[in-house]
Amino acid sequence: GESVGLHLPTLSVQEGDNSIINCAYSNSASDYFIWYKQESGKGPQFIIDIRSNMDKRQGQRVTVLLNKTVKHLSLQIAATQPGDSAVYFCAETSETSGSRLTFGEGTQLTVNP
Amino acid sequence: EAGVVQSPRYKIIEKKQPVAFWCNPISGHNTLYWYRQNLGQGPELLIRYENEEAVDDSQLPKDRFSAERLKGVDSTLKIQPAELGDSAVYLCASSKRTGGQEKLFFGSGTQLSVL
Repeated sequence: GESVGLHLPTLSVQEGDNSIINCAYSNSASDYFIWYKQESGKGPQFIIDIRSNMDKRQGQRVTVLLNKTVKHLSLQIAATQPGDSAVYFCAETSETSGSRLTFGEGTQLTVNP
Repeated sequence: EAGVVQSPRYKIIEKKQPVAFWCNPISGHNTLYWYRQNLGQGPELLIRYENEEAVDDSQLPKDRFSAERLKGVDSTLKIQPAELGDSAVYLCASSKRTGGQEKLFFGSGTQLSVL
């Protein structure tokens, strides 16, 4: 079936560096993508979203890039801080799936002070 | 504004026992979701409600799982009887409406351990 997955299960960076978390998806009909951050013992927290008619969207310290040609999504975190340490999930949905959000497996980001 | 509230936070039971989880969504959010998250994996949808109607329960194991949202606000998810493989975090989420491209807001989840 269709799936959303991540290239790397873990990522370790130094405080102050930029982080890039990647995600591949397989459903060509996907039209809405979300990045979630999940800290230990908490539910996923919305970070940023992007619609399929966009290639890039920026938030505070975060940027999401969407490449529909290769079905690839990335999350860039600028000046990574220890508080950014968490598991990051990409998720996608499409009109054909209604509101069923499909999550990838997650990337554990560790920020070293 | 209060977020999605779930209880209990943790539950430990023996297999074959029943268990129930409760969720209070964000005020004004008509759509409510129950997800299950296994360790190291992303959440998987169990059931989605629009107001009091279950509009997507295709992934709910109906032989042992049941859910209700009688007044279109709070919801409960029940497992009876629980099995070892049901150990997971059960997450509740809500959104203002359905139809795709909606931000879901999650609660902290109930961590279930079945012994």
